[in-house]
Amino acid sequence: EAQVTQNPRYLITVTGKKLTVTCSQNMNHEYMSWYRQDPGLGLRQIYYSMNVEVTDKGDVPEGYKVSRKEKRNFPLILESPSPNQTSLYFCASSSIFIQGSNTEAFFGQGTRLTVV
Amino acid sequence: AQKVTQAQTEISVVEKEDVTLDCVYETRDTTYYLFWYKQPPSGELVFLIRRNSFDEQNEISGRYSWNFQKSTSSFNFTITASQVVDSAVYFCALSEYGSARQLTFGSGTQLTVLP
Repeated sequence: EAQVTQNPRYLITVTGKKLTVTCSQNMNHEYMSWYRQDPGLGLRQIYYSMNVEVTDKGDVPEGYKVSRKEKRNFPLILESPSPNQTSLYFCASSSIFIQGSNTEAFFGQGTRLTVV
Repeated sequence: AQKVTQAQTEISVVEKEDVTLDCVYETRDTTYYLFWYKQPPSGELVFLIRRNSFDEQNEISGRYSWNFQKSTSSFNFTITASQVVDSAVYFCALSEYGSARQLTFGSGTQLTVLP
């Protein structure tokens, strides 16, 4: 089954304690990205990756890091979380080839992060 | 820069009523893709439809239908004979051909269907 898997689903942490949210996809997609969802703002892109070792900033990258050492994995790292990073996070993957049904983005189940 | 506007923040209807969710977009590209996603109370994002900019045909899938009009830059979504299970947040999104597959989302419309 084609899927994007995020872990954990829920996380409560304290300010300044480093954390990593993992994301893995089994569709051999080149493109992966992270979004955060906040009330009234929809989803906004944090970082994206076009392929292994290729990452770039999205619209709201401050306070986040990513890495793409393997094609299937794209972890999101918060080195020093702050309360304004409390949000619902989604990982997504898709093929970079615009053809047929390949334009759909597959989303993970979401990670609800609370920073106190 | 691309932008998606969903002006309706919240909509409430009574079961079996028809409801239309509006989506207006801005883009400079001639090639782009439009999407609708559903987010039920459980939180996951459920893909509903993708449309490319060269296909203006309206689409119907069961009780769902979509009206794409390039002249007004709109991609509206209609649910016919709404049901309580349709209650969710609905997001419209845009992806430009040259934007490295980034999705730009609208702010979402919370639809509540009352029994």
